[in-house]
Amino acid sequence: TQLLEQSPQFLSIQEGENLTVYCNSSSVFSSLQWYRQEPGEGPVLLVTVVTGGEVKKLKRLTFQFGDARKDSSLHITAAQPGDTGLYLCAGPTGTYKYIFGTGTRLKVLA
Amino acid sequence: DTEVTQTPKHLVMGMTNKKSLKCEQHMGHRAMYWYKQKAKKPPELMFVYSYEKLSINESVPSRFSPECPNSSLLNLHLHALQPEDSALYLCASSRYFGSGGRGEQYFGPGTRLTVT
Repeated sequence: TQLLEQSPQFLSIQEGENLTVYCNSSSVFSSLQWYRQEPGEGPVLLVTVVTGGEVKKLKRLTFQFGDARKDSSLHITAAQPGDTGLYLCAGPTGTYKYIFGTGTRLKVLA
Repeated sequence: DTEVTQTPKHLVMGMTNKKSLKCEQHMGHRAMYWYKQKAKKPPELMFVYSYEKLSINESVPSRFSPECPNSSLLNLHLHALQPEDSALYLCASSRYFGSGGRGEQYFGPGTRLTVT
């Protein structure tokens, strides 16, 4: 059974701090997606990483896919209150099936 | 346009009611999904339609009945629900992808369902 474990589960930091969220699995994924979800809303796709070792940047967010395509990380530089939310990694496990990570709840205090 | 729309935004229903959730996308995606999400948990897959045919049913109770009238629309019919079915119901869509594909999903804003 494929699993995606995220760490930490919860993170509360001050505005301006940096942070890293990890998404780990013992299985190889063809791609991994990162989403951000605000309370009562649907997840919003942030990025897809496909190639082992790939690094993608989205403003202050940097995403990396592990060389072996079993893990990924999300680094936020100079966090802002608008970054607050639930961060989810997800990956396809077969035709049309995905699994989601356990989630990281981020709170950025002004 | 990467928009998936869902209606209603909020729904309160009694255990004897019949209601429907609606989802629409115009991205030409041929796969559409229903997920259930409880507070502070990741989404749980319920159903997948591909090319308007039901491809996956994750052993969902029959009080939830999905329908895909065409490639842009997805409905979830609700009947005789239980209070524990209260949750955020999310619709998503993706392009077709085979095993090992890239498969990005796009989610709607969800319907907050409360069963009383």
